Amino acid sequence: GENVEQHPSTLSVQEGDSAVIKCTYSDSASNYFPWYKQELGKRPQLIIDIRSNVGEKKDQRIAVTLNKTAKHFSLHITETQPEDSAVYFCAASGGSYIPTFGRGTSLIVHP
Amino acid sequence: DTEVTQTPKHLVMGMTNKKSLKCEQHMGHRAMYWYKQKAKKPPELMFVYSYEKLSINESVPSRFSPECPNSSLLNLHLHALQPEDSALYLCASSQQGPSSGNTIYFGEGSWLTVV
Repeated sequence: GENVEQHPSTLSVQEGDSAVIKCTYSDSASNYFPWYKQELGKRPQLIIDIRSNVGEKKDQRIAVTLNKTAKHFSLHITETQPEDSAVYFCAASGGSYIPTFGRGTSLIVHP
Repeated sequence: DTEVTQTPKHLVMGMTNKKSLKCEQHMGHRAMYWYKQKAKKPPELMFVYSYEKLSINESVPSRFSPECPNSSLLNLHLHALQPEDSALYLCASSQQGPSSGNTIYFGEGSWLTVV
């Protein structure tokens, strides 16, 4: 089955800095990589996703990059704001339509 | 509209009680899921229904019993739970098919406390 590793487990930045969260996956059949943001007490919400036929995707301050050869993908948040503070989960799916989640990154943005 | 609605939002139950969690989606999605989530941990898959049939049971104890009355509804029946079952229970749905992308949309969850 798929195995997804996510790092770091905690990330603390100052407001305005950039934040990068990295994930690796094991199943070369995986072809869909979503990222979820979960604020305290709320549901995980999809913030961006990427498919294996593209290498990068941007949406305002958020971008995701994918390196299929190395089997890793990353979330980049620029100009971080306090409201970006949350737990972020990466996931990978493809061989099975059930996504495998990473263990999560707790992002703290200090004002 | 990517809306999955769950009721109740909060539930406190004793270890001898029987209760149910309910979930509804009107996006025409053909797969529905139950996840269990502990604080700051990833969602943990419990059950998957595909086209109203149970397709995955992740070795969940029988005190949890899922039911899919129709393509829009998903229930989770709870009986004789233990305090360690206290968690956020998330319902989710996704559209299946070769071009689906497998995006999973979560409901707001039901916070369960077993006393």
